[in-house]
This record gives sequence, structure tokens and C-alpha cells, in this order.
Amino acid sequence: EAGVAQSPRYKIIEKRQSVAFWCNPISGHATLYWYQQILGQGPKLLIQFQNNGVVDDSQLPKDRFSAERLKGVDSTLKIQPAKLEDSAVYLCASSRLNRENIQYFGAGTRLSVL
Amino acid sequence: DQQVKQNSPSLSVQEGRISILNCDYTNSMFDYFLWYKKYPAEGPTFLISISSIKDKNEDGRFTVFLNKSAKHLSLHIVPSQPGDSAVYFCAARSPQGGSEKLVFGKGTKLTVNP
Repeated sequence: EAGVAQSPRYKIIEKRQSVAFWCNPISGHATLYWYQQILGQGPKLLIQFQNNGVVDDSQLPKDRFSAERLKGVDSTLKIQPAKLEDSAVYLCASSRLNRENIQYFGAGTRLSVL
Repeated sequence: DQQVKQNSPSLSVQEGRISILNCDYTNSMFDYFLWYKKYPAEGPTFLISISSIKDKNEDGRFTVFLNKSAKHLSLHIVPSQPGDSAVYFCAARSPQGGSEKLVFGKGTKLTVNP
């Protein structure tokens, strides 16, 4: 079974530029998550999709961040415009609908905003 | 407001000995607890979980203990191996309004010395 795929692995941009990340979840996983992990912290949920509907985006800075999941499979996360404090690893995860909510993570995209 | 706390940023043990990683939480509504392991440049990988209605779960060398009255859980690794060297994240599931989000601690870096 293929894992969660993310691209790019690394991205360096200047502040005020825009950037987009892509995620392809594990086949058959209905739920997809985007997390932000700042250095020295644990992952923090930004947005959760179930199929192509948003379940939770309470911690997504909606003035600059947006995400979509077309056709309930792939997802993109966009930042526009980027700020210095957005430097972090952006992790995508997916899960089946199960009680434990075991989430499977991709390798992440490391974003550096200069 | 940090709902899941891992107070030890790092832990060093000798190969063959026991590793004990600790985690405290504040929200009594958490219903599942999970441990993830993370190697550098990789995403977190699921290790073991425990339901809030149990006090122990074992999987090979890994055992998780839950003390609900103390709002404390621990991960025991016996015997520890150099390949166990990684950052370990404690996570708790918060079932609220259909969102089954995971709340992560900051992680504990385990080093197992040969």
C-alpha cells in the first residue's frame, strides 16, 4: 500500500510571495488533514477534510491560508501572502473512518520564508 | 493552552535498558491516546494507541500505560535498541462536533546508546 505523498519536499520563498503544497492520501482514506509543525513543537491541525467537505478549519488563518480537496482525493494547501512566521514543516495525513483515528503522515514539506 | 504536555525534551538510555517516555494531559474528554515516532526528514509514524477505557496496551517491545485519575500516560520500550532513537510524540484524540482531531505534545527526543 502506497503511503501519503507530498510535494515539494522543500520550498524557499520570500515574504509576501505565495506558495502551494500538494498531497495525495492513501487510497481509500476518506479523511485528510493538514498540519503545521513549527520547529520544536508538535504538529498543529490546520484543516480536516472528510471526503471533499471541511470538518474542522478552526485553526486555519483564513486571511492567508486556503485549502481544497477536489473530488475527495488530492488536496492542495496555499499560503498567500507568506509571512516569516509561516516557516515550518507542513504535514499531510490521512485516515480511514475508525474509532482510534490512526492517522498516516506524509514526509512533509519544509517551508522557509525569508 | 497546551492540552498535551511532554515535559522531557530529551531522554538518553543504554541499549537493552528500558526507556520510559511520559505524557500528561488536561482535557478529560480525550478518548484515545496515540504515540507516534518520528525520524529526521520523515513524517510521524504510528506506534501504539490506547483507549481511555483501558489502562494498558502492549505490542511487542512497546507498552503504553494510562492513569486516568492522574491524567498521565507513559510509553515503555523494553529492551531499547539503537534504532529506537527518534522523536516520540504523544497525541490525544478530541472528539468534538464530528472533528476527531489529534492534539500533539511537543515531543521527546530519545537517544539509545549502543
